[in-house]
Amino acid sequence: DTAVSQTPKYLVTQMGNDKSIKCEQNLGHDTMYWYKQDSKKFLKIMFSYNNKELIINETVPNRFSPKSPDKAHLNLHINSLELGDSAVYFCASSQRQDRGLAGYTFGSGTRLTVV
Amino acid sequence: AQKVTQAQTEISVVEKEDVTLDCVYETRDTTYYLFWYKQPPSGELVFLIRRNSFDEQNEISGRYSWNFQKSTSSFNFTITASQVVDSAVYFCALSEAGSGNTGKLIFGQGTTLQVKP
Repeated sequence: DTAVSQTPKYLVTQMGNDKSIKCEQNLGHDTMYWYKQDSKKFLKIMFSYNNKELIINETVPNRFSPKSPDKAHLNLHINSLELGDSAVYFCASSQRQDRGLAGYTFGSGTRLTVV
Repeated sequence: AQKVTQAQTEISVVEKEDVTLDCVYETRDTTYYLFWYKQPPSGELVFLIRRNSFDEQNEISGRYSWNFQKSTSSFNFTITASQVVDSAVYFCALSEAGSGNTGKLIFGQGTTLQVKP
């Protein structure tokens, strides 16, 4: 059973399109995150939700909109895709109280290519 | 401000050599967590170790060892007798437990390790 699963694994789309990436965790964690890894491998937090409440929104263009229907799911919707959005997007989850003990669990990543 | 610096962008070694990956962090919190992740060519992020700020004991796991020194704000990672399968990008990361407790991970820039046969 995959702990944090992201779909799709690969996404190739044209500029201007709207796309979504889905993330689900079956660990019972209360906090979920989206990270972006750029072409230079740099990993940066984008969003975080705790029990469906947005707690981190890190200077991300408003074309990116996270949605958390429940604490097991955190989806990322991107409008009007641009070439610069090409990156690998990682979903992760953690349990707030146990973060130092249990750490974070990452999904396998979604490679988004905008052409 | 929180920051993680991995000054070594790329390291190349020959198999069986020992190699140390440096990590220096900055934080104002007294309680924080440090992590190392491995990202092999397949792209997933593989958890290696976490350490909390109250535990300065060094740790060894097989060929891997970690040296945590609060006095120099460093959390270095050593691979002994490196193998080709160790070739990957290695990330050091920091999470603060203090104010806000958002739990976000601050990553270093990553060190690309190439182990040649």
